[in-house]
Amino acid sequence: GESVGLHLPTLSVQEGDNSIINCAYSNSASDYFIWYKQESGKGPQFIIDIRSNMDKRQGQRVTVLLNKTVKHLSLQIAATQPGDSAVYFCAENIRGSQGNLIFGKGTKLSVKP
Amino acid sequence: DGGITQSPKYLFRKEGQNVTLSCEQNLNHDAMYWYRQDPGQGLRLIYYSQIVNDFQKGDIAEGYSVSREKKESFPLTVTSAQKNPTAFYLCASSIGQGPVEQYFGPGTRLTVT
Repeated sequence: GESVGLHLPTLSVQEGDNSIINCAYSNSASDYFIWYKQESGKGPQFIIDIRSNMDKRQGQRVTVLLNKTVKHLSLQIAATQPGDSAVYFCAENIRGSQGNLIFGKGTKLSVKP
Repeated sequence: DGGITQSPKYLFRKEGQNVTLSCEQNLNHDAMYWYRQDPGQGLRLIYYSQIVNDFQKGDIAEGYSVSREKKESFPLTVTSAQKNPTAFYLCASSIGQGPVEQYFGPGTRLTVT
C-alpha cells in the first residue's frame, strides 16, 4: 500500500486510552477546519469539522477543539481502538479561497493492543 | 452506492508518455479537486473545478492538465512535462459554495520509470 506514514510525527497509545492529535495553523483568516483519517493505500475519510465561530465540536468518540488565540486545533479520540491506527490530517480553509483546503503533513497514530 | 471512483488503482508508465487518470462522482457535487500526495507529506492541490466547463490551477499545476466537460467527471492528465510524476493521486468532490467537507476517492498510485 501507499507509504503515507514515512517520516511523520508518530503518536503511540495503548488500546483503550484517549488520544490527542495536535495541529497548528498560521493564518488568522482561516475560518473552517477539518480532520481526516487516512489508512495506508486509501483515500482520506472525513472525521469531523469545525467552523471558526465555535471552540468545540463533538462526534462519536471524537472531539475537536479550536483555540483561535494560539491558532491551535486538536483532535481527541476517546477509548482508542486498533482500528483507529492511521495517519490523521488537519486541513484549513482560508476565508475567500473558494473552499480550497490546505493540508498539514499528518500524524501517524499507532494503537498497541 | 454514491461516491467517487478512481481508476485504475495502480498505473505504470514509461517516462515521456502522457497518462490520464480517471475520476467520476455520482454525488451530484459541483466542485471537484485533484491532489497529489508524496510519502510523508500532506496533500497538495493540483487543479480544482467549481463548475462544469471551468477549472483553476492549484499550487502545483505545472505539468498537469484537466478538463470538466461533465459534472460527474474530472480527468487529470499527467504530461511528460511533469518532472516527478510518481506519486499517489487523489480526487475529491464537494457540494461547493464555500468551505465544506470534501469527499475523497480511493486514489491512483502512478509509477513512472
